[in-house]
Amino acid sequence: QKEVEQDPGPLSVPEGAIVSLNCTYSNSAFQYFMWYRQYSRKGPELLMYTYSSGNKEDGRFTAQVDKSSKYISLFIRDSQPSDSATYLCAMSTLNTGNQFYFGTGTSLTVIP
Amino acid sequence: DADVTQTPRNRITKTGKRIMLECSQTKGHDRMYWYRQDPGLGLRLIYYSFDVKDINKGEISDGYSVSRQAQAKFSLSLESAIPNQTALYFCATSDSGVNVHGYTFGSGTRLTVV
Repeated sequence: QKEVEQDPGPLSVPEGAIVSLNCTYSNSAFQYFMWYRQYSRKGPELLMYTYSSGNKEDGRFTAQVDKSSKYISLFIRDSQPSDSATYLCAMSTLNTGNQFYFGTGTSLTVIP
Repeated sequence: DADVTQTPRNRITKTGKRIMLECSQTKGHDRMYWYRQDPGLGLRLIYYSFDVKDINKGEISDGYSVSRQAQAKFSLSLESAIPNQTALYFCATSDSGVNVHGYTFGSGTRLTVV
């Protein structure tokens, strides 16, 4: 079983829709949770990170962590065509020295 | 200039050839990583280095070697390239502070082994 599972999609939504992206994980020691956005032919860029459980909001983006269910989510409100990208979740324990375990990524297309 | 620079951006090489991918960074980060990305498999860690004298194998190090020439430079070598090493390779850096701020990735090297 992979440590991090992520539905690869592809996911296609109309502009303005609310997008929900999700990952599940098996290692209860994970404490840091991150979302990266990767545009075509580019490296991943850090979008949001959270520590432990709870919600974090940044503009149109909200990250949620539910450690009891080993489930994390990224919500995108009022989605824009510029949000079209692959979204990767990543997570780490405190003791692995910044080594992150990545999901396989979900491909999102926002249709104008 | 990019914080993390990878060269070359694209490379086609023949089976059995030795090839080196280079990475340099201006972030001042201690930690550097090499990942490969394959469709359906995501990002997999090849090697990582926490400082110039520290080199560690990752999940899929067989067939690869690395050299940390300086704090800012970390190169990945394929000693004898094989077709299943065709992939997108990323270098990444991170700091070693208590607060985790994630990786900074380069733009990647697309390697094709024919």
